[in-house]
Amino acid sequence: NAGVTQTPKFQVLKTGQSMTLQCAQDMNHEYMSWYRQDPGMGLRLIHYSVGAGITDQGEVPNGYNVSRSTTEDFPLRLLSAAPSQTSVYFCASSKRTDSNQPQHFGDGTRLSIL
Amino acid sequence: AQSVTQLGSHVSVSEGALVLLRCNYSSSVPPYLFWYVQYPNQGLQLLLKYTTGATLVKGINGFEAEFKKSETSFHLTKPSAHMSDAAEYFCAVSEGSNYQLIWGAGTKLIIKP
Repeated sequence: NAGVTQTPKFQVLKTGQSMTLQCAQDMNHEYMSWYRQDPGMGLRLIHYSVGAGITDQGEVPNGYNVSRSTTEDFPLRLLSAAPSQTSVYFCASSKRTDSNQPQHFGDGTRLSIL
Repeated sequence: AQSVTQLGSHVSVSEGALVLLRCNYSSSVPPYLFWYVQYPNQGLQLLLKYTTGATLVKGINGFEAEFKKSETSFHLTKPSAHMSDAAEYFCAVSEGSNYQLIWGAGTKLIIKP
């Protein structure tokens, strides 16, 4: 049971490039989300999904797109990378039965935009 | 709007001393409360959670937290710190049917030998 798997673990991009951060979970969780973590700011929600085919914006969605074609996968796309998007990105998932369910996190993708 | 405040971005304690990490929240309804721990270069993992019932909640690695509604607090404690406790700790809150978590800014726990 792998849990939440994120790839790649590290990435360096040039300004203006695009890329997709992958996230997959094998726990059949309905709820999935993407966060970015910046020093002193905790975690900020980028986008989330409550099930296949359903996505919604979080606190800081600008510059990012998501889709949820299957229960397992929730990729995050950077459309045109900017230095302000340098951050550590975490994907998380949880059961949808109740909001008291804990979220399970991947190990993160460390992204640098030059 | 809902908010979570963690007092102190860094807390330093000696090995064997009491650990106290503070978390206060603002909520008009009884929330669900969580503490997560993040070790260097890793994702977050659940330490403990409060949903309903007993207000003193025990978690992994000897940590516990007490929900105090009157003080809107959910402070994390451990009687005796160990070097392996050095990590960043995050308090988070969710409300009702909203699956989103509201996060504190985190507290980095430093253990002095």
